[in-house]
Amino acid sequence: EDKVVQSPLSLVVHEGDTVTLNCSYEVTNFRSLLWYKQEKKAPTFLFMLTSSGIEKKSGRLSSILDKKELFSILNITATQTGDSAVYLCAVLRGGGADGLTFGKGTHLIIQP
Amino acid sequence: DAGVIQSPRHEVTEMGQEVTLRCKPISGHDYLFWYRQTMMRGLELLIYFNNNVPIDDSGMPEDRFSAKMPNASFSTLKIQPSEPRDSAVYFCASSLQAYYGYTFGSGTRLTVV
Repeated sequence: EDKVVQSPLSLVVHEGDTVTLNCSYEVTNFRSLLWYKQEKKAPTFLFMLTSSGIEKKSGRLSSILDKKELFSILNITATQTGDSAVYLCAVLRGGGADGLTFGKGTHLIIQP
Repeated sequence: DAGVIQSPRHEVTEMGQEVTLRCKPISGHDYLFWYRQTMMRGLELLIYFNNNVPIDDSGMPEDRFSAKMPNASFSTLKIQPSEPRDSAVYFCASSLQAYYGYTFGSGTRLTVV
């Protein structure tokens, strides 16, 4: 059975801090790993990572995938209160659209 | 583009009643997914469609759940009869192709009392 494990489950930091969120996975026929941000409603797409070692960056957020060690990290620098959310990691298998398998998420709280 | 549209936004129903959740995917997206989110289990895939055809319904909890996609712009998820343990947020998502990221709807928060 596919597994996606995120850590930590929750994290409280102060505004301006840098945070690193972790995602490890065990999946057959791995194709891609995706990160989503969920505030009060629907998850919104952040990154899709398919190749190992290539950093994806969007503003203060960045992510990288290690296919040998089967994990990914999501970094957020100079955090702001608006970064408070649940960050979800999901994996996509190859060989057809089997649907995303999600981790339980990391609940990030940024205190002013 | 209006995005993925789900209705209703909230549904409160009594145990034993039939519940129907609705979804309109983004026009042109060939894949439609139904997910359920609870605190205990996180986001779980229930069923997905490709070109209106159900491909994998192995995530549907039991026979009380059914889903249809009569055309490319509409899908329903039905629970009959509903039970309190079905209380969750149900998300619909669509994607253009198999290997693209999904766009989620705003979800339907279902409470069965």
